[in-house]
Amino acid sequence: GDSVTQMEGPVTLSEEACLTINCTYTATGYPSLFWYVQYPGEGLQLLLKATKADDKGSNKGFEATYRKETTSFHLEKGSVQVSDSAVYFCALRMGTSYGKLTFGQGTILTVHP
Amino acid sequence: DADVTQTPRNRITKTGKRIMLECSQTKGHDRMYWYRQDPGLGLRLIYYSFDVKDINKGEISDGYSVSRQAQAKFSLSLESAIPNQTALYFCATSDWEPETQYFGPGTRLLVL
Repeated sequence: GDSVTQMEGPVTLSEEACLTINCTYTATGYPSLFWYVQYPGEGLQLLLKATKADDKGSNKGFEATYRKETTSFHLEKGSVQVSDSAVYFCALRMGTSYGKLTFGQGTILTVHP
Repeated sequence: DADVTQTPRNRITKTGKRIMLECSQTKGHDRMYWYRQDPGLGLRLIYYSFDVKDINKGEISDGYSVSRQAQAKFSLSLESAIPNQTALYFCATSDWEPETQYFGPGTRLLVL
């Protein structure tokens, strides 16, 4: 079945450091890919998405590129802030599905001043 | 006001008790979903509904039931709670293009 694997966490960084959270997927076709973010005490929010190979999603300084050849969708940010501290989830959705999202296990990010 | 609300936000119950978690949305979406979140496992889909008359099982529906009382309301029930149903439960909605799902704040459930 379809699956998403994220890098092990938690990740702890100092403010202004570079961030990369790895995400790879297994799917029988060509899924749409997403990054969701969960701030403390809140539900998940869509951060960015890409719907086809080589697409780059971006939002709030975060970027991720859909790499079909490596089945990856790594999340990057050049300079993190304390306010970026959250749990980040990579997810996929197959085009033929009913809206079902398959999530990775989540990566906790903590940014210190 | 939040677009997707869940009640209660926290609940402690005992094994064997029946419990209902409620979800309401003001986004006017037809599609609603229930997920559970467990540490290290991400979110897993319990049930989903495309409209009031269309309810479907997700990947982990055993031990749960749902009711879609109206377009805006989707309730999740645990008929006889057991400790391994201790988790964080999320309701979500989407429109006919399910690319973006809007999540409620979650209900933290502890079954003793």
